[in-house]
Amino acid sequence: EVQLVQSGAEVKKPGATVKISCMFFGYLFSDDYIHWVQQAPGKGLEWMGRVNPEDDETIYAEKFQGRVTITADTSRDTVYMELTSLTSEDTAVYFCATLVGGGGGFDYWGQGTLVTVSS
Amino acid sequence: DIQMTQSPSTLSASVGDRVTITCRASQSISRWLAWYQQKPGKAPKLLIYEASNLESGVPSRFSGSGSGTEFTLTISSLQPDDFATYYCQQYNSWTFGQGTKVEIK
Repeated sequence: EVQLVQSGAEVKKPGATVKISCMFFGYLFSDDYIHWVQQAPGKGLEWMGRVNPEDDETIYAEKFQGRVTITADTSRDTVYMELTSLTSEDTAVYFCATLVGGGGGFDYWGQGTLVTVSS
Repeated sequence: DIQMTQSPSTLSASVGDRVTITCRASQSISRWLAWYQQKPGKAPKLLIYEASNLESGVPSRFSGSGSGTEFTLTISSLQPDDFATYYCQQYNSWTFGQGTKVEIK
């Protein structure tokens, strides 16, 4: 069974950096892009970026460009999302997601990681 | 960037109602559109991909249609488990609509 398991909740101060992990089980995760999605409290879903684990190619949404880095460690079946220069606006749940079934969209998601930015 | 606009933002309906949600893209995305259902505290769940293809295990009361810039998600007979927020997503460049909350009337 495919599972994406994310690291636990984080509390950070403004200006800090957070790095969240997403570990894959039951799936050769190098086969497809891995994406990250932000959801602020009470708000909608916002696509942040994605990595191709085969060649480490990344694409980032303009909103996060320059502050986000997504990396893949195929030896650990893990993808990371690092977000720098945190502000209170970055308080959100962050999801990793991917497509396993080959149809379209994201058919598998991590459970989400809450990041709270507070002084 | 391709912008996705959903309407309505909130929809009040009763069990058994037929419900339709619309999603418009700022430019043509062919049929590269997915629909998701999200419940509080949970990750989104894929319902529909490629505009009209039902994801495995999703009840047949859900259906999708459209191409180009205009798409719809229809729930033929709303069930208690369907009260949730629904999002469209174009997967040319992966942006989401702002969501439609389906509430109990």
